[in-house]
Amino acid sequence: ELKVEQNPLFLSMQEGKNYTIYCNYSTTSDRLYWYRQDPGKSLESLFVLLSNGAVKQEGRLMASLDTKARLSTLHITAAVHDLSATYFCNFGNEKLTFGTGTRLTIIP
Amino acid sequence: NAGVTQTPKFRILKIGQSMTLQCAQDMNHNYMYWYRQDPGMGLKLIYYSVGAGITDKGEVPNGYNVSRSTTEDFPLRLELAAPSQTSVYFCASSYSRYQPQHFGDGTRLSIL
Repeated sequence: ELKVEQNPLFLSMQEGKNYTIYCNYSTTSDRLYWYRQDPGKSLESLFVLLSNGAVKQEGRLMASLDTKARLSTLHITAAVHDLSATYFCNFGNEKLTFGTGTRLTIIP
Repeated sequence: NAGVTQTPKFRILKIGQSMTLQCAQDMNHNYMYWYRQDPGMGLKLIYYSVGAGITDKGEVPNGYNVSRSTTEDFPLRLELAAPSQTSVYFCASSYSRYQPQHFGDGTRLSIL
């Protein structure tokens, strides 16, 4: 059974600071997605990572995948308030498994 | 384009009632999914489909049924509603297993 662990579960950070969210998974997987969810809203796709060493960047967010370590990271650079949301990683083959999410709050 | 459309947006059911959550996509996607999200939690896969006429169970299928008679539609059926099925239900679709999923706005279901 594929298990996905995200940490931290909750994160408060000041504007302008850098931080990283971690996503560990328990078995081999051939794909990895990052999603964002605003409170009371649906999920929005951020990144698709399909190979070892893949790195994707969009604005202040950068995602990477290390399949040997079974680890993906989502790095936030110079955080701004608009990045406050819950971030989910999503692994698996046919039966996609979501992480528990990281609730990120950016404090002015 | 409308994307993924879910109806209804909100619903209250009594224990033992039945209902169907509707999901339609207009992107000609092959893959469609149903998830449930309990408060403060991640999403759990209920059922998925890789094409018309093909469905399979996800992580939490008990108490639910699905069908996929067309590429566009993927309804989710609750036969005997139970309080444990109170949740937000999301439908999603993707063109292939290597593409990100597009999510609907969700159906908030309460069972009392």
